[in-house]
Amino acid sequence: AQKITQTQPGMFVQEKEAVTLDCTYDTSDQSYGLFWYKQPSSGEMIFLIYQGSYDEQNATEGRYSLNFQKARKSANLVISASQLGDSAMYFCAMREGHPGGYNKLIFGAGTRLAVHP
Amino acid sequence: NAGVTQTPKFRILKIGQSMTLQCAQDMNHNYMYWYRQDPGMGLKLIYYSVGAGITDKGEVPNGYNVSRSTTEDFPLRLELAAPSQTSVYFCASSYSGPSGIYNEQFFGPGTRLTVL
Repeated sequence: AQKITQTQPGMFVQEKEAVTLDCTYDTSDQSYGLFWYKQPSSGEMIFLIYQGSYDEQNATEGRYSLNFQKARKSANLVISASQLGDSAMYFCAMREGHPGGYNKLIFGAGTRLAVHP
Repeated sequence: NAGVTQTPKFRILKIGQSMTLQCAQDMNHNYMYWYRQDPGMGLKLIYYSVGAGITDKGEVPNGYNVSRSTTEDFPLRLELAAPSQTSVYFCASSYSGPSGIYNEQFFGPGTRLTVL
């Protein structure tokens, strides 16, 4: 069964430091995609970063990078130089199947990140 | 572009009442989705649509109905509301096609529903 596991219910980080949010997944598909979304206290879902299963390079978007270890089935989000505005809930999600097809997302339970000054 | 819009933002229902949550997108996306998010949890897919006139069940469809008569609109109907349907409801859309790179889903701001 397809599953996303985020084992850290809550994380704390000091401002300007880096933090890693863990995500492991389970799928039997060869083609899949991994997403990270941010949900601030205001409630909206903000797309952060994407990694395709066939992408050889780890994805990066500004201060966000995705540490993709395919053999371990992990897709950890790394936030560098944390800012107070990074305090939010972070969700890892997986899309199964090829990019041009049905785009069902399966979400993990989330990790709440608190950035301290 | 307004992106994905949802109305209402908040609603309180009594047990047994019905209501429709509205969702619209102006990005010409073919795929649309309804999710619910229970407190402290991730999102679970209720229904989805791959185009006008085509809908299918997601993970938690019981107690809900949808229709998709146009590309832009994807309303979610709750019949006979129950306390278990107290949740935040998110509508999302994405584009899938030859030019779709990674089919990022764009989310609306959510509707917070309480059933008492």
